[in-house]
Amino acid sequence: GENVGLHLPTLSVQEGDNSIINCAYSNSASDYFIWYKQESGKGPQFIIDIRSNMDKRQGQRVTVLLNKTVKHLSLQIAATQPGDSAVYFCAERGGSQGNLIFGKGTKLSVKP
Amino acid sequence: DVKVTQSSRYLVKRTGEKVFLECVQDMDHENMFWYRQDPGLGLRLIYFSYDVKMKEKGDIPEGYSVSREKKERFSLILESASTNQTSMYLCASSFSPYTTAFFGQGTRLTVV
Repeated sequence: GENVGLHLPTLSVQEGDNSIINCAYSNSASDYFIWYKQESGKGPQFIIDIRSNMDKRQGQRVTVLLNKTVKHLSLQIAATQPGDSAVYFCAERGGSQGNLIFGKGTKLSVKP
Repeated sequence: DVKVTQSSRYLVKRTGEKVFLECVQDMDHENMFWYRQDPGLGLRLIYFSYDVKMKEKGDIPEGYSVSREKKERFSLILESASTNQTSMYLCASSFSPYTTAFFGQGTRLTVV
């Protein structure tokens, strides 16, 4: 939504730099994780996912790293572009009914 | 590509009105979800459905009900809208409850 970025931690990067967005998840038994991107006025958009039997997965310009020891997930965006400006949030499959639990998100701002 | 379509982008309703939010998906997904998104609170699950005519309460079902009469359609109902239900509402669908959810564009509801 338009004001989903309010009250969120913000990461500001220069165009062309790499971005790293972090997420701490809550349930050590979670076995599947997803990163979403949400642009202003739009619904969340799937970026990349990873299963708990992996510690790294790469997509186009994005990499997700999973550290189960400290329950930490990160999203790396290479050569960040203005179109990457959005709120990014992680989701873990660890709800009591097996549903996804979403983090609150980080706002990425790319300076031209 | 998966398409999840919500019937309205913006709605303004009066306190006490009965409100219907409609969602349709075109990928024959079994599972559909309704979330609300508020600044600082992230996405919170209201209700979800594993199959036609089946529904399960999420984390914040109070004040809401749902209807799933057809596989492709999942409706969220506010029986008597209140101002604290002003929010962004997001519908999602997935092949299974344990995998990636694809989202609609959201409905911004304002209750006055």
